[in-house]
Amino acid sequence: GAGVSQTPSNKVTEKGKYVELRCDPISGHTALYWYRQSLGQGPEFLIYFQGTGAADDSGLPNDRFFAVRPEGSVSTLKIQRTERGDSAVYLCASSPATSAHTQYFGPGTRLTVL
Amino acid sequence: QKEVEQDPGPLSVPEGAIVSLNCTYSNSAFQYFMWYRQYSRKGPELLMYTYSSGNKEDGRFTAQVDKSSKYISLFIRDSQPSDSATYLCAMSAYTGNQFYFGTGTSLTVIP
Repeated sequence: GAGVSQTPSNKVTEKGKYVELRCDPISGHTALYWYRQSLGQGPEFLIYFQGTGAADDSGLPNDRFFAVRPEGSVSTLKIQRTERGDSAVYLCASSPATSAHTQYFGPGTRLTVL
Repeated sequence: QKEVEQDPGPLSVPEGAIVSLNCTYSNSAFQYFMWYRQYSRKGPELLMYTYSSGNKEDGRFTAQVDKSSKYISLFIRDSQPSDSATYLCAMSAYTGNQFYFGTGTSLTVIP
């Protein structure tokens, strides 16, 4: 079946603008994760959803970052007042309830803040 | 100190060589250990996962976990040019919990 998809694949914005990044998980996967990966680094956890609710948002760096998953499927990561330091690849992953220790990643959205 | 340490390499080997990739960690609560492969400008792809200590083999890949030493390894036998990628170790304490990743090791297999 289809894997995790993310849109857009690339996003270039100006400092101070608002951006939304979308993630479509694998159908039927109940858990959804957002990570951020900077150049030469491993992914860093941002937030985890189980169903519609954020089960763990301890990785969100500050209140400019917010994520939703209103119907328990698609999720949107929202970044307000973007800063140059927000430039990174934003990865989304999903996992099924029966194998929650395995996460399947999407291709990522490359965000560049000028 | 980072939760997970991984030598970034780069590592360059001839085709057919055995490759050993390693990570160390500090959190004794970690129970789930994963290896991901990431090609340039792609998302990480799950290769193997192991629960607790022990070995697990899948084709040319073998994952080992030594919880007493807080050390995990991935061995690749008969390495191929298509294995050239960045290899990320990841670990978590509980099922459904966030993963902690290493920085990744860049591997090049030379034909």
